[in-house]
Amino acid sequence: EPEVTQTPSHQVTQMGQEVILRCVPISNHLYFYWYRQILGQKVEFLVSFYNNEISEKSEIFDDQFSVERPDGSNFTLKIRSTKLEDSAMYFCASSSGYSNQPQHFGDGTRLSIL
Amino acid sequence: QKEVEQNSGPLSVPEGAIASLNCTYSDRGSQSFFWYRQYSGKSPELIMSIYSNGDKEDGRFTAQLNKASQYVSLLIRDSQPSDSATYLCAVNINYGGSQGNLIFGKGTKLSVKP
Repeated sequence: EPEVTQTPSHQVTQMGQEVILRCVPISNHLYFYWYRQILGQKVEFLVSFYNNEISEKSEIFDDQFSVERPDGSNFTLKIRSTKLEDSAMYFCASSSGYSNQPQHFGDGTRLSIL
Repeated sequence: QKEVEQNSGPLSVPEGAIASLNCTYSDRGSQSFFWYRQYSGKSPELIMSIYSNGDKEDGRFTAQLNKASQYVSLLIRDSQPSDSATYLCAVNINYGGSQGNLIFGKGTKLSVKP
């Protein structure tokens, strides 16, 4: 069964450094998403992406965040200058894009900011 | 503010019993409803999707939706210890044809005792 893959599984970074989280969505999916989950808290939407542009973004997704689809398969989330409060699990998800289709999640990247 | 509410639990049921998980949502524009299972330290895994009022069954799982009451539930029949996890209710609000993002509840922790 096709799946969303994310790398790395765990990223440790010094505060203030840039970090790039990578995702390969399911190949025939058209909509891509990033969510985050701070330890012990609920899953929170960050951004959705379709047709090479951002569709929606939450208040969390400020100027420190950016997304990119650099080629036909990868989808990346960049945090420009990490803060301690960026420590969380980051999940990439994708859906086929047809109305109401479910979103399928990758295994996540655990980001630890020191 | 769009909210999805769940009882955090823990909900403890004996093996073989029916587990009943409940969720309410605040936005009447909600169109798609999903249940995800999340094991500790893992990513959300899609269990069920439901879009119209009534019941939807898939194996041991039944999702129930009542849009008038803004209520969605998940029943797990013949509960197994392997069902022990946190169950996340997620709601998708589509505006203007866009795919929309998922709004998650905090999740209900289910424990199935052998």
